[in-house]
This record gives sequence, structure tokens and C-alpha cells, in this order.
Amino acid sequence: DIQMTQSPSAMFASVGDRVTITCRASQGISNYLAWFQQKPGKVPKRLIYAASSLQSGVPSRFSGSGSGTEFTLTISSLQPEDFATYYCLQHDTYPQTFGQGTKLEIK
Amino acid sequence: QVQLVQSGAEIKKPGSSVKVSCKASGGTFSSYSISWVRQAPGQGLEWMGRIIPIIGTPIYAQKLQGRITITADTSANTAYMELSSLTSEDTAVYFCARGDNGGYPLDYWGQGTLVTVSS
Repeated sequence: DIQMTQSPSAMFASVGDRVTITCRASQGISNYLAWFQQKPGKVPKRLIYAASSLQSGVPSRFSGSGSGTEFTLTISSLQPEDFATYYCLQHDTYPQTFGQGTKLEIK
Repeated sequence: QVQLVQSGAEIKKPGSSVKVSCKASGGTFSSYSISWVRQAPGQGLEWMGRIIPIIGTPIYAQKLQGRITITADTSANTAYMELSSLTSEDTAVYFCARGDNGGYPLDYWGQGTLVTVSS
């Protein structure tokens, strides 16, 4: 199975900060990577697909980049509603695998 | 508007089975992938398997092979996930999710079904 390693596992940030979350794949996955946001008790929401394509309706402060084994999710200016847990998912190879999550908390 | 509506919460005894349904509306059902993802309390997301209803052959996570069965009824626009030989470690919220037009997974999500395994 392809292992997806996210870093950091948790982070504190302030409104207005620029935040970057990294996801590393144990082998190359081309651009078959998605990013999800999940708030407590809620259903996950896809933010980015194909590594860098912004989901319709998602604010442009979210962006994704990368290819192969290293990927990043960037939030350019944190808003209060962005404090949540973020997951990456590789769908290059079955089984599809998620990263362990990054919990983004208010400083 | 695509909607996925899952069946209600379940409480099961260890060793029993559970079957969760996921009914789709608002879009074509048969040609899109339906995946199942679960989340144990306080834990991350775990991909369990997927089916493309028009094809019918499911793919499962190795960890669950032998205990999981994913099926789809195209006439009812409904997918099912059955998990057998339940233990307390199967206590989780189970989600179904549909892929998009481009074949990218997990675009639309069901509301989740809590399955509690307890004696």
C-alpha cells in the first residue's frame, strides 16, 4: 500500500496567516491527489482534486501543488472558518489511502 | 443536485454483521464510483473500498478483505456496504461518497452512518 505522510500533524496559526500543509507519498502517484477539509462532527469536504484543481465553490485562498511524491496545500490568509482538520488522499493505486490528518487550531 | 442519503445508526453485537445503504439522487448513478470511507471516534479517515455500479466489480482494502462486501442496485440507485464479524474496532462513522465527472473520487458525500459495536 502507498503510505501518505502528512506534516505537521497539528499546528497553531492565527487569522490572516499563510499556512502550508505537506503530504508525502511513499511512491510516485503522479497528480492523483486530493485534499479534504473536515470540521468536528461534519462530513469531509473536497477542496482540491488532481493535486492543484480547486473544487467549485471553494475560496481561492486555498491552493494545491505538487506531483510525484510531494504535495502541498496552502491557505494564503487564514479565515476563522478554516480551522479544521485537513486530509490528503492518493487515488493513483488501490487501496486508496489517506494521510493521517493535520489539525489546524487557533493560536 | 447530487445527494447521497445513508441509512440510520446501528448498534450491533460483536461477531454480527451490519449493512449500510447509500441512496443516490439528482444525478446518474451507474457510471460513477461509489466509495466507502470510515472514521473511528477521534481518528482519521480510512478508505474501505469502492464500486462502479455499471461495472459491478468492487475493490476492497486488503485489511478488510473477507469481511466486507460492497454491492450496488442500479434499479434503486443504491449502494450497500456490508461488514461482517464485527468487533469493537469497527465502531465508527461510515460514509459513502461519489466520484465526479472526471473520475476523481469523493466529490459528493453521504451524511454518515454511526455503527456502534458493543456487547
